[in-house]
Amino acid sequence: QQQVKQSPQSLIVQKGGISIINCAYENTAFDYFPWYQQFPGKGPALLIAIRPDVSEKKEGRFTISFNKSAKQFSLHIMDSQPGDSATYFCAASMFDAGNMLTFGGGTRLMVKP
Amino acid sequence: GAVVSQHPSRVICKSGTSVKIECRSLDFQATTMFWYRQFPKQSLMLMATSNEGSKATYEQGVEKDKFLINHASLTLSTLTVTSAHPEDSSFYICSAEGQGGSGYTFGSGTRLTVV
Repeated sequence: QQQVKQSPQSLIVQKGGISIINCAYENTAFDYFPWYQQFPGKGPALLIAIRPDVSEKKEGRFTISFNKSAKQFSLHIMDSQPGDSATYFCAASMFDAGNMLTFGGGTRLMVKP
Repeated sequence: GAVVSQHPSRVICKSGTSVKIECRSLDFQATTMFWYRQFPKQSLMLMATSNEGSKATYEQGVEKDKFLINHASLTLSTLTVTSAHPEDSSFYICSAEGQGGSGYTFGSGTRLTVV
């Protein structure tokens, strides 16, 4: 059973535009929601993460919006650049040490020049 | 920040041979490491959770005798693919949880090709 659903599967955005990726989760025990960026042939790299005590977190051009009641969270990439073209994964876990991440299916983002 | 080193990055082996992949936490101690497998254009699939000093916990459907995991120290976990077959060809990635709530750090992955 997929506990984290991610959409869209692929996304094409013009340079300078806003990229929006959405995730929904089922397990209300999740309390840690990271986003990872993965380039081809590389491991995922942590982009930004949020805990459920806040509704939004911003780091540079990347913003996570979190809606606890809807069990949804999203990643917004402002002023998208061709260098942002990658696969993005949302994930969720229980933050206690040793708890595994449950990943979404991934979104392949292409930013056109 | 936390760094996880994974080696080798690419390996080609013949069917029937074994391949060992190493995952090291360079600047922190990791009591728990995770091993993932990723097929092209797909998400990461957790294979097993590696605990220092104890047996790994394998996910359902993962053959523990085929994918041997050893976590002998707080900074090193290894995954050995035994008697490799072409269908084992995949991208294998390890991760470890950093200290102080810094989140999970992933290795750079190992592309295994079995010929």
